[in-house]
Amino acid sequence: DAMVIQNPRYQVTQFGKPVTLSCSQTLNHNVMYWYQQKSSQAPKLLFHYYDKDFNNEADTPDNFQSRRPNTSFCFLDIRSPGLGDAAMYLCATSRKGPAPQHFGDGTRLSIL
Amino acid sequence: DQQVKQNSPSLSVQEGRISILNCDYTNSMFDYFLWYKKYPAEGPTFLISISSIKDKNEDGRFTVFLNKSAKHLSLHIVPSQPGDSAVYFCAATTDSNYQLIWGAGTKLIIKP
Repeated sequence: DAMVIQNPRYQVTQFGKPVTLSCSQTLNHNVMYWYQQKSSQAPKLLFHYYDKDFNNEADTPDNFQSRRPNTSFCFLDIRSPGLGDAAMYLCATSRKGPAPQHFGDGTRLSIL
Repeated sequence: DQQVKQNSPSLSVQEGRISILNCDYTNSMFDYFLWYKKYPAEGPTFLISISSIKDKNEDGRFTVFLNKSAKHLSLHIVPSQPGDSAVYFCAATTDSNYQLIWGAGTKLIIKP
C-alpha cells in the first residue's frame, strides 16, 4: 500500500542534543510537509517542500531545519532541542494544487 | 484570529444515530475544505473533502455539506459506529496555497 512512513515512532533525546526525524513516502507526491502537534491541538505547520523548493513558515524557530534529498525522503533536524520542543512531529504529503494531505503516524519526541 | 472554528470541543452520540460535526470559517477566499479523523498516537486520517463549487459531497457513511453564504460546513456520519470515536478536525485552504488552516478539533464519543 502506498503510504507515508515516519521513523522512529518514538524518540528520546537529551536537552540540547541534535536529533533527526525521517519521513518517506511511496505516493510520489510533489509536496511534503512537517507539522508539530502538541497534546490535542491542531497540527502546526513548520515548513513544506514543493518539489525541491523549501518554504519556511514565518514563526518556525531557527532551531528547526529540513532536508529533502529526493522525492521520497524528507528529514527534520532539530539542532538544539529544548523542553518546549517535546511534541508529536507529523510528516504529510500531497499532490500539487488543492488536494488532501496524507499523514504518517508521527514521531513522538521526548526531551530529557 | 481563528479563521477556522470548531465551537464544540466534544460531542456524544448514541451508536447507530447520526453524528453532525460543525465548522465555521471567516476567510471568504477559502475554496477547498477537508475533514480529518485522528486517533490517539496516530497521524490524522483524511476522511472527505469538498470544493467551494459544490455544496455536498458524499462518501459512504460520510457526507460533507458546505453553505458558502453562511461560511459553514458540517460533517454527517450515518450511522455512527464505535470506531468513529476520535477527534475530528476541519481544515480549509485556498487554491493557490498549500497551507491548511485547521480548526481546534471536536472529540466525538460514540456511546454503545
